[in-house]
Amino acid sequence: AQKVTQAQTEISVVEKEDVTLDCVYETRDTTYYLFWYKQPPSGELVFLIRRNSFDEQNEISGRYSWNFQKSTSSFNFTITASQVVDSAVYFCALSEAGGRGGSNYKLTFGKGTLLTVNP
Amino acid sequence: SAVISQKPSRDICQRGTSLTIQCQVDSQVTMMFWYRQQPGQSLTLIATANQGSEATYESGFVIDKFPISRPNLTFSTLTVSNMSPEDSSIYLCSVSWSTDTQYFGPGTRLTVL
Repeated sequence: AQKVTQAQTEISVVEKEDVTLDCVYETRDTTYYLFWYKQPPSGELVFLIRRNSFDEQNEISGRYSWNFQKSTSSFNFTITASQVVDSAVYFCALSEAGGRGGSNYKLTFGKGTLLTVNP
Repeated sequence: SAVISQKPSRDICQRGTSLTIQCQVDSQVTMMFWYRQQPGQSLTLIATANQGSEATYESGFVIDKFPISRPNLTFSTLTVSNMSPEDSSIYLCSVSWSTDTQYFGPGTRLTVL
């Protein structure tokens, strides 16, 4: 069974600080996808990034960067120079690819990390 | 990117009643899903909505409690039946055009008194 662990329940930083959100996953599959979603107070879940298990290159998008390390089963998310608008709950999720009877599209979410960025 | 809408955005309901939530996408999608997010919790998959056939439910969720319809490739409904206060949650639909990335609707905030 797949599992996603986000050990940090809450993080509070001051604006302009860098912050890293940790994500550790468990899966028996060799082919899988990892995701990060943002949930602001409005409640909508916003897709941020998808990574497949064969692509370990780090990715940067503006102030956001992601570090994928298969050796430690981690997919960490860093926000550089945080802003108040970054305040949200961030979810890491895992999806196993494959053809086993209808379950290959299922997303397993971590419990989320509440990030508060104070002015 | 497609626009995903849900109706209602929020509702307050009485115990024992039922509520039907709609999910509409402005383009055809391959997969549609329904999730529940209980207060302060993560998301849990309720079921996969299959076009033209019965939904596929996850362990712990049954059709009598959460009947789902998907009459076409752009629309699905989730009904929460015989509600109790424990059903108070955010209900989210998600859609996918492939086997991996899911995009979520704005959610329906349900409070059961």
